[in-house]
Amino acid sequence: EPEVTQTPSHQVTQMGQEVILRCVPISNHLYFYWYRQILGQKVEFLVSFYNNEISEKSEIFDDQFSVERPDGSNFTLKIRSTKLEDSAMYFCASSEATSGERRFFGPGTRLTVL
Amino acid sequence: AQSVTQLDSQVPVFEEAPVELRCNYSSSVSVYLFWYVQYPNQGLQLLLKYLSGSTLVKGINGFEAEFNKSQTSFHLRKPSVHISDTAEYFCAVTRNRDDKIIFGKGTRLHILP
Repeated sequence: EPEVTQTPSHQVTQMGQEVILRCVPISNHLYFYWYRQILGQKVEFLVSFYNNEISEKSEIFDDQFSVERPDGSNFTLKIRSTKLEDSAMYFCASSEATSGERRFFGPGTRLTVL
Repeated sequence: AQSVTQLDSQVPVFEEAPVELRCNYSSSVSVYLFWYVQYPNQGLQLLLKYLSGSTLVKGINGFEAEFNKSQTSFHLRKPSVHISDTAEYFCAVTRNRDDKIIFGKGTRLHILP
Protein backbone atom coordinates (compact mmCIF):
# COMPACT_ATOMS: atom_id res chain seq x y z
CA GLU A 1 0.00 0.00 0.00
CA PRO A 2 1.30 3.50 -0.75
CA GLU A 3 2.46 5.54 2.20
CA VAL A 4 3.35 9.05 3.22
CA THR A 5 6.92 9.42 4.41
CA GLN A 6 8.40 12.07 6.69
CA THR A 7 11.94 13.09 7.49
CA PRO A 8 13.57 13.36 9.88
CA SER A 9 11.87 11.11 12.41
CA HIS A 10 13.27 13.21 15.23
CA GLN A 11 14.60 16.77 15.08
CA VAL A 12 16.26 18.52 17.99
CA THR A 13 16.87 22.24 17.71
CA GLN A 14 17.71 25.27 19.78
CA MET A 15 15.09 27.88 20.51
CA GLY A 16 15.12 30.58 17.84
CA GLN A 17 16.46 28.34 15.12
CA GLU A 18 14.70 27.60 11.88
CA VAL A 19 13.56 24.06 11.13
CA ILE A 20 12.18 22.45 8.02
CA LEU A 21 10.13 19.31 8.30
CA ARG A 22 9.84 17.28 5.14
CA CYS A 23 7.08 15.10 3.83
CA VAL A 24 6.69 13.05 0.68
CA PRO A 25 2.97 12.61 0.02
CA ILE A 26 1.55 9.80 -2.04
CA SER A 27 2.32 10.50 -5.67
CA ASN A 28 -1.18 11.01 -7.13
CA HIS A 29 -2.52 12.98 -4.15
CA LEU A 30 -3.35 16.64 -4.55
CA TYR A 31 -4.43 17.70 -1.05
CA PHE A 32 -1.83 18.04 1.67
CA TYR A 33 -2.04 18.74 5.37
CA TRP A 34 0.06 19.32 8.44
CA TYR A 35 -1.11 18.44 11.93
CA ARG A 36 0.69 18.54 15.23
CA GLN A 37 0.34 16.75 18.53
CA ILE A 38 1.85 18.24 21.65
CA LEU A 39 2.78 15.50 24.08
CA GLY A 40 -0.28 14.27 25.91
CA GLN A 41 -2.67 16.42 23.95
CA LYS A 42 -4.92 15.92 20.95
CA VAL A 43 -3.92 16.08 17.33
CA GLU A 44 -4.47 19.60 16.00
CA PHE A 45 -4.94 20.79 12.46
CA LEU A 46 -2.37 23.30 11.25
CA VAL A 47 -2.84 23.86 7.55
CA SER A 48 -4.20 22.42 4.32
CA PHE A 49 -2.63 22.99 0.92
CA TYR A 50 -4.03 22.54 -2.57
CA ASN A 51 -3.04 23.76 -6.00
CA ASN A 52 0.12 25.35 -4.64
CA GLU A 53 -1.59 27.50 -2.09
CA ILE A 54 -2.91 27.34 1.43
CA SER A 55 -6.61 26.49 1.40
CA GLU A 56 -7.15 26.70 5.16
CA LYS A 57 -5.09 27.31 8.26
CA SER A 58 -5.70 27.26 11.98
CA GLU A 59 -4.93 29.90 14.58
CA ILE A 60 -1.80 27.97 15.46
CA PHE A 61 -0.40 28.55 11.99
CA ASP A 62 0.93 32.06 12.51
CA ASP A 63 3.59 34.02 10.63
CA GLN A 64 6.31 31.79 12.03
CA PHE A 65 4.99 28.90 9.97
CA SER A 66 5.07 28.40 6.24
CA VAL A 67 4.49 25.53 3.85
CA GLU A 68 5.84 24.86 0.44
CA ARG A 69 5.76 22.29 -2.28
CA PRO A 70 9.17 23.03 -3.80
CA ASP A 71 9.03 20.26 -6.38
CA GLY A 72 6.66 17.59 -7.54
CA SER A 73 7.22 15.30 -4.59
CA ASN A 74 8.06 17.13 -1.37
CA PHE A 75 5.79 19.08 0.95
CA THR A 76 7.58 21.03 3.66
CA LEU A 77 6.68 22.79 6.87
CA LYS A 78 9.05 25.54 7.96
CA ILE A 79 9.15 27.12 11.39
CA ARG A 80 11.22 30.29 11.16
CA SER A 81 12.13 30.87 14.78
CA THR A 82 11.26 27.94 16.97
CA LYS A 83 9.82 28.34 20.45
CA LEU A 84 9.79 25.86 23.29
CA GLU A 85 6.07 25.38 22.80
CA ASP A 86 6.65 24.22 19.23
CA SER A 87 7.92 20.94 20.63
CA ALA A 88 5.47 18.35 19.33
CA MET A 89 4.94 15.51 16.92
CA TYR A 90 4.19 16.87 13.47
CA PHE A 91 2.14 14.74 11.10
CA CYS A 92 1.87 15.21 7.38
CA ALA A 93 -1.16 13.83 5.53
CA SER A 94 -2.31 13.66 1.94
CA SER A 95 -5.47 12.67 0.13
CA GLU A 96 -6.70 12.14 -3.38
CA ALA A 97 -8.55 14.86 -5.21
CA THR A 98 -11.66 13.02 -6.17
CA SER A 99 -12.11 10.14 -3.75
CA GLY A 100 -10.50 11.87 -0.86
CA GLU A 101 -12.13 9.98 1.93
CA ARG A 102 -8.93 8.03 2.19
CA ARG A 103 -6.49 10.29 3.94
CA PHE A 104 -3.08 8.92 4.64
CA PHE A 105 -0.95 10.12 7.53
CA GLY A 106 2.80 9.95 7.72
CA PRO A 107 4.61 8.49 10.73
CA GLY A 108 5.38 11.92 12.12
CA THR A 109 8.44 13.98 12.98
CA ARG A 110 9.12 14.57 16.64
CA LEU A 111 10.40 18.12 17.08
CA THR A 112 12.17 18.93 20.32
CA VAL A 113 13.03 22.58 20.96
CA LEU A 114 15.59 23.17 23.68
CA ALA B 1 -18.12 24.15 13.15
CA GLN B 2 -17.55 20.53 13.93
CA SER B 3 -16.29 19.19 17.22
CA VAL B 4 -15.54 15.81 18.69
CA THR B 5 -15.80 14.75 22.31
CA GLN B 6 -14.14 11.70 23.75
CA LEU B 7 -15.30 11.62 27.32
CA ASP B 8 -12.86 8.98 28.55
CA SER B 9 -9.21 9.98 28.59
CA GLN B 10 -8.20 6.50 29.73
CA VAL B 11 -9.95 3.14 29.66
CA PRO B 12 -8.45 0.16 31.48
CA VAL B 13 -9.78 -3.23 30.47
CA PHE B 14 -8.73 -6.80 31.10
CA GLU B 15 -7.34 -8.84 28.25
CA GLU B 16 -10.02 -10.75 26.31
CA ALA B 17 -12.75 -8.52 27.75
CA PRO B 18 -14.96 -6.36 25.52
CA VAL B 19 -14.35 -2.64 25.25
CA GLU B 20 -16.25 0.42 24.08
CA LEU B 21 -14.58 3.77 23.48
CA ARG B 22 -17.06 6.58 23.35
CA CYS B 23 -17.19 9.37 20.82
CA ASN B 24 -19.76 12.09 20.34
CA TYR B 25 -19.66 14.74 17.67
CA SER B 26 -21.45 17.95 16.90
CA SER B 27 -22.01 19.40 13.48
CA SER B 28 -24.66 21.36 11.65
CA VAL B 29 -23.96 19.50 8.42
CA SER B 30 -23.45 15.91 7.38
CA VAL B 31 -20.09 14.57 8.36
CA TYR B 32 -17.69 11.77 7.78
CA LEU B 33 -16.43 10.03 10.91
CA PHE B 34 -13.19 8.23 11.59
CA TRP B 35 -11.35 6.34 14.25
CA TYR B 36 -7.56 6.48 14.21
CA VAL B 37 -5.15 4.49 16.36
CA GLN B 38 -1.73 5.57 17.49
CA TYR B 39 0.46 2.80 18.84
CA PRO B 40 3.32 3.79 21.16
CA ASN B 41 5.96 5.81 19.29
CA GLN B 42 4.15 5.48 15.99
CA GLY B 43 2.06 7.65 13.71
CA LEU B 44 -1.66 7.70 13.09
CA GLN B 45 -3.28 4.72 11.46
CA LEU B 46 -6.84 4.64 10.18
CA LEU B 47 -8.92 2.02 11.98
CA LEU B 48 -12.23 2.58 10.23
CA LYS B 49 -14.42 5.25 8.73
CA TYR B 50 -18.08 6.04 8.21
CA LEU B 51 -18.93 7.85 4.99
CA SER B 52 -22.48 6.72 4.25
CA GLY B 53 -24.63 3.60 4.04
CA SER B 54 -24.63 0.98 6.77
CA THR B 55 -24.30 2.50 10.20
CA LEU B 56 -22.21 -0.39 11.46
CA VAL B 57 -18.69 -0.07 10.19
CA LYS B 58 -16.06 -2.76 10.51
CA GLY B 59 -12.40 -1.89 10.61
CA ILE B 60 -9.04 -3.51 11.04
CA ASN B 61 -7.94 -5.60 14.02
CA GLY B 62 -11.49 -6.67 14.88
CA PHE B 63 -12.76 -3.20 15.72
CA GLU B 64 -16.15 -1.89 14.68
CA ALA B 65 -18.07 1.31 15.24
CA GLU B 66 -21.70 2.28 14.97
CA PHE B 67 -22.89 5.61 13.66
CA ASN B 68 -25.91 6.86 15.56
CA LYS B 69 -27.23 10.05 14.03
CA SER B 70 -29.93 10.67 16.64
CA GLN B 71 -27.40 10.43 19.46
CA THR B 72 -24.60 12.01 17.40
CA SER B 73 -22.32 9.20 18.47
CA PHE B 74 -19.74 6.98 16.84
CA HIS B 75 -18.61 4.59 19.56
CA LEU B 76 -15.81 2.14 18.89
CA ARG B 77 -16.12 -1.44 20.07
CA LYS B 78 -14.17 -4.65 20.16
CA PRO B 79 -15.60 -7.87 21.61
CA SER B 80 -12.30 -9.17 22.95
CA VAL B 81 -9.18 -7.05 23.36
CA HIS B 82 -5.61 -8.18 23.15
CA ILE B 83 -2.50 -6.77 24.78
CA SER B 84 -1.44 -5.52 21.35
CA ASP B 85 -4.45 -3.17 21.33
CA THR B 86 -2.69 -0.96 23.86
CA ALA B 87 -2.68 2.41 22.13
CA GLU B 88 -4.27 5.83 21.94
CA TYR B 89 -7.50 5.99 19.96
CA PHE B 90 -8.71 9.15 18.29
CA CYS B 91 -12.17 9.82 17.01
CA ALA B 92 -12.27 12.35 14.19
CA VAL B 93 -14.76 14.17 11.97
CA THR B 94 -14.57 15.99 8.69
CA ARG B 95 -17.15 17.96 6.75
CA ASN B 96 -16.29 16.61 3.37
CA ARG B 97 -13.81 14.31 1.79
CA ASP B 98 -10.97 16.76 1.50
CA ASP B 99 -11.60 19.09 4.38
CA LYS B 100 -9.49 19.27 7.50
CA ILE B 101 -10.03 16.54 10.06
CA ILE B 102 -11.00 17.56 13.55
CA PHE B 103 -9.69 15.16 16.17
CA GLY B 104 -10.95 14.35 19.62
CA LYS B 105 -8.56 14.45 22.56
CA GLY B 106 -7.98 10.73 22.39
CA THR B 107 -8.64 7.78 24.66
CA ARG B 108 -5.75 5.76 25.97
CA LEU B 109 -6.63 2.07 26.08
CA HIS B 110 -4.79 0.13 28.78
CA ILE B 111 -4.99 -3.63 28.51
CA LEU B 112 -4.57 -5.34 31.86
CA PRO B 113 -3.15 -8.88 31.99
